[in-house]
Amino acid sequence: AQTVTQSQPEMSVQEAETVTLSCTYDTSESDYYLFWYKQPPSRQMILVIRQEAYKQQNATENRFSVNFQKAAKSFSLKISDSQLGDAAMYFCASGEGGSRLTFGEGTQLTVNP
Amino acid sequence: KAGVTQTPRYLIKTRGQQVTLSCSPISGHRSVSWYQQTPGQGLQFLFEYFSETQRNKGNFPGRFSGRQFSNSRSEMNVSTLELGDSALYLCASSLSRDAEAFFGQGTRLTVV
Repeated sequence: AQTVTQSQPEMSVQEAETVTLSCTYDTSESDYYLFWYKQPPSRQMILVIRQEAYKQQNATENRFSVNFQKAAKSFSLKISDSQLGDAAMYFCASGEGGSRLTFGEGTQLTVNP
Repeated sequence: KAGVTQTPRYLIKTRGQQVTLSCSPISGHRSVSWYQQTPGQGLQFLFEYFSETQRNKGNFPGRFSGRQFSNSRSEMNVSTLELGDSALYLCASSLSRDAEAFFGQGTRLTVV
């Protein structure tokens, strides 16, 4: 069984600043993937970043990067140079791949101008 | 390249009725997964289909069922609707089981 926990229901950041969203997980799988998805008010889930658990190097996608601590089962998302368009609900998820994802509770990110 | 298409976008049904939701995956994607999103329970996995076979099923009652066709399009059916079935139902497709999932815009089901 897999569990994903996001302990920050809400976060806020000033435009152009940096914010970090926290996520911890637990899994019995040896091979797994971790994801951050963004869900804006349109409700469309958008993949932000993906990390293969067997890779030690932290994934990065432009202004988005992760801090993957496998031993601690921690997977945080850092958003640099925050933009108004980054405002959304962010979900951390784990899974064997793209299917059968287990999601956290979500973190609502507000970006202040 | 077209994304994942879910129809209809909105539905209102009465308790006791049944409903069928449809999902057309991205062309070439063979894996389709369904999720239920509610304010109280969050995002929960319903089931996954790959090449017309159900590979995994979440912890939902038998009233929830699904299928996948040879063209990878998928449908999910909920019978004997209950008020608690009101939710956003999301479909996701992926090229393979270990590839990232792309989500549709969801079907908002309201049971009255």
